Amino acid sequence: AQRVTQPEKLLSVFKGAPVELKCNYSYSGSPELFWYVQYSRQRLQLLLRHISRESIKGFTADLNKGETSFHLKKPFAQEEDSAMYYCALYTGRRALTFGSGTRLQVQP
Amino acid sequence: DAGITQSPRHKVTETGTPVTLRCHQTENHRYMYWYRQDPGHGLRLIHYSYGVKDTDKGEVSDGYSVSRSKTEDFLLTLESATSSQTSVYFCAISDRGDRSEQYFGPGTRLTVT
Repeated sequence: AQRVTQPEKLLSVFKGAPVELKCNYSYSGSPELFWYVQYSRQRLQLLLRHISRESIKGFTADLNKGETSFHLKKPFAQEEDSAMYYCALYTGRRALTFGSGTRLQVQP
Repeated sequence: DAGITQSPRHKVTETGTPVTLRCHQTENHRYMYWYRQDPGHGLRLIHYSYGVKDTDKGEVSDGYSVSRSKTEDFLLTLESATSSQTSVYFCAISDRGDRSEQYFGPGTRLTVT
């Protein structure tokens, strides 16, 4: 069965420090992975998807099929990056499987 | 924000009572989803719809039913609410239902006492 694991419930870093939010998945098919973000008092929204190979707000994520990972990275964290981050896997049933989420706290 | 509204936004109800949550969209998207968000579990899919009158179960569908009689409305019903259904419920929509982006509503906080 498909599964998405985000091992950290909370990640706290200082402004300017590098950030890596971990995501591992298990899926027998060809994976399609996404990162969604929920800022305080805002709706959950798409941050980036692996197929686009884009950088959004300085964040990047590379799909590593060998390690079944899709970690989200940013070289220099900003206070406005503080939010809840969810990794999600498209499983081909017209729906997404989400991880349990990681709260990123960027301290000044 | 995409044109998605949820009603009510907050509700407190007693165990055993029926509850219906409504999701309304103005985007004419074909796919609609209901998720629940719980600490430590993230978002879990309850039911989804891939067209009018076409629905399917998600990961945590027990105790929930859905209906979609119009493109713009997707209703989630708890036939007999239990305390374990206390959660935040999110509706989402998607135009293609595959790898396309899902747009989320503001959420409904439901408390079952």
